[in-house]
Amino acid sequence: AQSVTQLGSHVSVSEGALVLLRCNYSSSVPPYLFWYVQYPNQGLQLLLKYTTGATLVKGINGFEAEFKKSETSFHLTKPSAHMSDAAEYFCAVSATGGGNKLTFGTGTQLKVEL
Amino acid sequence: DGGITQSPKYLFRKEGQNVTLSCEQNLNHDAMYWYRQDPGQGLRLIYYSQIVNDFQKGDIAEGYSVSREKKESFPLTVTSAQKNPTAFYLCASSIPGQGGITEQYFGPGTRLTVT
Repeated sequence: AQSVTQLGSHVSVSEGALVLLRCNYSSSVPPYLFWYVQYPNQGLQLLLKYTTGATLVKGINGFEAEFKKSETSFHLTKPSAHMSDAAEYFCAVSATGGGNKLTFGTGTQLKVEL
Repeated sequence: DGGITQSPKYLFRKEGQNVTLSCEQNLNHDAMYWYRQDPGQGLRLIYYSQIVNDFQKGDIAEGYSVSREKKESFPLTVTSAQKNPTAFYLCASSIPGQGGITEQYFGPGTRLTVT
């Protein structure tokens, strides 16, 4: 079984400040990890993914995430927030043998203030 | 342009009526999925299909049914047995990939309101 915990259902940052969205996972086998973004009343868009190899993953829109096995974490960061980053962000985990099913966290709503 | 279409964007039904949500993809993906999204609960898997004419229940399949007669289409029926059907429904697809795991691509969603 696998699970995802996103700490902080709402995060607020100032424009230009660091964005840090937290994700911790639980998986009995090596995980595949994903971050998605959702704008209001829209579907989800993939930001980045970790499968194997390099643990620092770069995605779209200046976001990146680091896979830390020892901490079972996959936190999402962006050095400088922009107003257009305001959205809901979901971390998800999948694992081999699971039929490519994703287990999602409950999401973090990011607010960017002037 | 390749992608996933879901129709309609907004759907209103009376309690006790069955309703079918459409999902079509032209990405040539083998696998398709249906999720339900409620505020504060993330996405929960309803049904998924890895190949035509085959599908499996997800975590919250009760009160829902699906079919997969064509690779491109994976309609979801919300039956009158679903106790709380009002939600945002998202369809996704993926290529299973060599290791069996790849990212999923999502449609724009259908917001269903049942009164």
